[in-house]
Amino acid sequence: AQTVTQSQPEMSVQEAETVTLSCTYDTSENNYYLFWYKQPPSRQMILVIRQEAYKQQNATENRFSVNFQKAAKSFSLKISDSQLGDTAMYFCAFMKVFQRTGNQFYFGTGTSLTVIP
Amino acid sequence: AAGVIQSPRHLIKEKRETATLKCYPIPRHDTVYWYQQGPGQDPQFLISFYEKMQSDKGSIPDRFSAQQFSDYHSELNMSSLELGDSALYFCASEEAGGINYGYTFGSGTRLTVV
Repeated sequence: AQTVTQSQPEMSVQEAETVTLSCTYDTSENNYYLFWYKQPPSRQMILVIRQEAYKQQNATENRFSVNFQKAAKSFSLKISDSQLGDTAMYFCAFMKVFQRTGNQFYFGTGTSLTVIP
Repeated sequence: AAGVIQSPRHLIKEKRETATLKCYPIPRHDTVYWYQQGPGQDPQFLISFYEKMQSDKGSIPDRFSAQQFSDYHSELNMSSLELGDSALYFCASEEAGGINYGYTFGSGTRLTVV
């Protein structure tokens, strides 16, 4: 079974500063996908960034980047130049490479991020 | 770009009533997933469908059932509703094995059982 752990229930950061959210996971799979989803107060689930486990290069999307350490099973999210709109719950998620079954996401418990003006 | 459409956005039902939630996936997405998110909790997987057949079952109560139709839309039927069923219900879709891996979530249906 896969498990995803987010050890930081709440975090805060000053506007324009950088913050890192941590995520660790446990799996026996060799190839898989990892994701960060953002859930603002509207409760919409928005994809922030995704990473394929076989790719060594860390994914980046504008101000968002990840530090993927496969051996350590760690997948942290770095948000640079934090903006007020980044205030949200952030979920780390794991998914196996597509198979006919077993494709559900395994979510962490979330980190509530508050960006302070 | 087309997104995953869920209806209704909000639903209020009384205990022991029945509710039907609908999900219209992104065109060409052949896989649909249902998740339940209680207040302050992470989403919990309920059930999924691939090519109109159930592919996986999670923590879905026996009072709930779901299916995927020939046009790939899906419906989650919930009977004998309980207060604890009050939650946000997400549908997500995916193109199985597609290059854009990962889910696209709908906006969710907020169900309140009173």
